[in-house]
Amino acid sequence: NAGVMQNPRHLVRRRGQEARLRCSPMKGHSHVYWYRQLPEEGLKFMVYLQKENIIDESGMPKERFSAEFPKEGPSILRIQQVVRGDSAAYFCASSPRGPLVDEQFFGPGTRLTVL
Amino acid sequence: QKEVEQNSGPLSVPEGAIASLNCTYSDRVSQSFFWYRQYSGKSPELIMSIYSNGDKEDGRFTAQLNKASQYVSLLIRDSQPSDSATYLCAVNTNAGKSTFGDGTTLTVKP
Repeated sequence: NAGVMQNPRHLVRRRGQEARLRCSPMKGHSHVYWYRQLPEEGLKFMVYLQKENIIDESGMPKERFSAEFPKEGPSILRIQQVVRGDSAAYFCASSPRGPLVDEQFFGPGTRLTVL
Repeated sequence: QKEVEQNSGPLSVPEGAIASLNCTYSDRVSQSFFWYRQYSGKSPELIMSIYSNGDKEDGRFTAQLNKASQYVSLLIRDSQPSDSATYLCAVNTNAGKSTFGDGTTLTVKP
C-alpha cells in the first residue's frame, strides 16, 4: 500500500509564475489536508478537503491560493503569481475517515523556491 | 494566545533519561490529540494519539491528557540519540481543523 505521494518534490518558480502542487492520498483515504511549513517553524494548516468538497479553508490566504480534490485524480494546491514569501515546504496529508478520529499520514512534501 | 502552544526548546537530555514534552491548547471543544515526530528535512510521522483523559502507553512513549487543564504531554523513557527530532503536538476539533503547535526540538546526547 503506497503512502501519500506528492509531486514534484522540489519546485522552482520565478516571481509571478504559477505553482501547481499535487497530492495523491493513500488508497482508501478520502480526506486530504494541506499544510505549509516555513523554515524553523511549525506546520500551518491551509485547507481540508474531502472528495470534490472543501470542508475547511480557514488557513488559506484569501488571494492567489486555491485547492481542489476532484472525483478522479490527485488533489491540487495552486498558487498563482508566486512571491518570494511563498517559498516553503508544502505538506499534504490524508486520512480515511476524518480528522476527529484518524491520524493523518503525511507525504514527503514539495519544497517550493521562488526566485 | 496561540491555539496550541509548545515550548520551542531546544530540550536536551542525556541518553537513557526521560524526556518530557508539553503542550497546551485553547479550544475547550478539542477532542483528538496527536503527537508527531519530524526529523529535519522530513515529513511528520505519528507517534501517539490520545482521545480521553489519562495516560496511554506505547513502548517507550506515554501520552498524558488532561482536558480540564487543556494540557497534553508526551514522555519518552530511556531516550535514545535516534529520538532527537522536533515533536509536534496536534489538536483536532469537530470542525475538522487540525492545529499544530510550532514543535519542541529534542536533542538526546550520547
